[in-house]
Amino acid sequence: EPEVTQTPSHQVTQMGQEVILRCVPISNHLYFYWYRQILGQKVEFLVSFYNNEISEKSEIFDDQFSVERPDGSNFTLKIRSTKLEDSAMYFCASERYPDTGELFFGEGSRLTVL
Amino acid sequence: AQSVTQLGSHVSVSEGALVLLRCNYSSSVPPYLFWYVQYPNQGLQLLLKYTSAATLVKGINGFEAEFKKSETSFHLTKPSAHMRDAAEYFCAVSGNAGGTSYGKLTFGQGTILTVHP
Repeated sequence: EPEVTQTPSHQVTQMGQEVILRCVPISNHLYFYWYRQILGQKVEFLVSFYNNEISEKSEIFDDQFSVERPDGSNFTLKIRSTKLEDSAMYFCASERYPDTGELFFGEGSRLTVL
Repeated sequence: AQSVTQLGSHVSVSEGALVLLRCNYSSSVPPYLFWYVQYPNQGLQLLLKYTSAATLVKGINGFEAEFKKSETSFHLTKPSAHMRDAAEYFCAVSGNAGGTSYGKLTFGQGTILTVHP
């Protein structure tokens, strides 16, 4: 069964460092998302991406965050200068058809900022 | 604005017993409602969704949920729990408020279901 894959599964970084989280969505999906879950809190929406541009973003998604689809398969989330409060599980998701809410999630990348 | 409240962060049942996981939502527009499940070391997986058709929605693995507008609830049930149902369950809402897409989900805090033999 096709699945969304994320790398790395766990990354530890120093505060102020840049981090790139990578995702390979399901191949025939067109809509891509990043969500995150801080330990003990709810899963929260960060950004959606369609047709090589951001469709929506939350207030969390400030100038420190960026997303891109550098080739036909990868979808990346970059955090330019990590803060302690960026420590969380980051989930990538993809959706085949628009406005269904039927998201396919990856296993997540755990980011720990020291 | 939309929000979801899941009553009970942990629910424990015996194998064969009824599973009831509670979810209440708030939405300013007609909602889409979802239950996602996360098994250990896996991503979230769609269990079922409501999109304004039948109010009783059947999902995978014998789960179902009923949309009750008057109670703003979307509780998840399964008549007979199995050991493999042990997982974390997330209720979520989305809706076309201000042009937002239905893929922008607002999640509850999750309920961990434990099934005892």
